Amino acid sequence: DTGVSQDPRHKITKRGQNVTFRCDPISEHNRLYWYRQTLGQGPEFLTYFQNEAQLEKSRLLSDRFSAERPKGSFSTLEIQRTEQGDSAMYLCASSLIGQAEAFFGQGTRLTVV
Amino acid sequence: AQSVTQLGSHVSVSEGALVLLRCNYSSSVPPYLFWYVQYPNQGLQLLLKYTSAATLVKGINGFEAEFKKSETSFHLTKPSAHMSDAAEYFCAVSRSGGNEKLTFGTGTRLTIIP
Repeated sequence: DTGVSQDPRHKITKRGQNVTFRCDPISEHNRLYWYRQTLGQGPEFLTYFQNEAQLEKSRLLSDRFSAERPKGSFSTLEIQRTEQGDSAMYLCASSLIGQAEAFFGQGTRLTVV
Repeated sequence: AQSVTQLGSHVSVSEGALVLLRCNYSSSVPPYLFWYVQYPNQGLQLLLKYTSAATLVKGINGFEAEFKKSETSFHLTKPSAHMSDAAEYFCAVSRSGGNEKLTFGTGTRLTIIP
């Protein structure tokens, strides 16, 4: 098992463009989480899935953000009409039901210019 | 609601000296507590976790932490700092039972002085 994989690692986009990130969790992990981390801050929870069901969304997740996990395996996070304030590191994590710890990917760093 | 406060956004210690990173939590329910380490432009790696078993928890790379309910603290320590310990450290809390979302502190940047 190679751990949680995120793609791309870096993304530079112009303001107003749409971007999509992908996360491949550890095999057989039921839960998948998305967090956002801005410079000098700790990660902030955005949303999580149990299998394909999206169970919770933070109020940080505006209507420009949408996440999916269609087959209960990989997940995508899309940001529409990006703004400079969206510039951050987007982290994905996965966990197995019954275990406390979540395992993080290396993140996707988004820069909106 | 749950929250974490990390005292000291920057900590510097000499190589070989004791490392102490402070974390206080607030939780209305029994918490699970975690310490994660983050190297530049990397994701987070779990150092150790408290899940209501032993209050003194040992983790990787020689780190340990003690859960003190009376002080609502979960400070991270290492007896002897190594240059490779230089990184950002995050304390996090979730509700007991596991698989809950994590609430992170703002982090402590640890610098090791040669």
